[in-house]
Amino acid sequence: DTGVSQDPRHKITKRGQNVTFRCDPISEHNRLYWYRQTLGQGPEFLTYFQNEAQLEKSRLLSDRFSAERPKGSFSTLEIQRTEQGDSAMYLCASSLDLALNTEAFFGQGTRLTVV
Amino acid sequence: ILNVEQSPQSLHVQEGDSTNFTCSFPSSNFYALHWYRWETAKSPEALFVMTLNGDEKKKGRISATLNTKEGYSYLYIKGSQPEDSATYLCALRGLNRDDKIIFGKGTRLHILP
Repeated sequence: DTGVSQDPRHKITKRGQNVTFRCDPISEHNRLYWYRQTLGQGPEFLTYFQNEAQLEKSRLLSDRFSAERPKGSFSTLEIQRTEQGDSAMYLCASSLDLALNTEAFFGQGTRLTVV
Repeated sequence: ILNVEQSPQSLHVQEGDSTNFTCSFPSSNFYALHWYRWETAKSPEALFVMTLNGDEKKKGRISATLNTKEGYSYLYIKGSQPEDSATYLCALRGLNRDDKIIFGKGTRLHILP
């Protein structure tokens, strides 16, 4: 297993288009997180899953954002009707949630540019 | 509501000098504290995960302490090297409904040669 992988690494889209990102976590990891990072900020929490169950979605996230993890393995994040303000780095992380001291492992992110 | 504050936001340190920075969090809802290092063009990488009040962890020249009663953690770097230049992220995992990992804005460290 080579770690968390995200696809694509870069995406340029026109305003109003829909985009979908994929995250493949480390295979035995049951938790999966999505974050968004903009310049000068830390990773902002978007949503997370325990296996296939979506436990929480950030209140800051509009209805244009949706995430799924249908079989408790890979996850997709879809943004509908993209806006320029959606331009950011989208990070996925996974962890094995069995102990207090479990760290999260990150993918390299998908950089979205909305033009 | 989990809120993680980091200071300073940015720091310039001469190579060879030691430095430290702070992470503050609400002590009433603590489960675990994480420190990550994020180098440009790479993924954030975990340095430490700490759970117990008084915890001290060390990895090479980098160490961290945790005070859960007063809600802060310090990260120390001894004898800074150019490869230490990165953003250092602090993250908190809370309890119950806050059982997720929330990040601070990070401290951007620049090592000057």
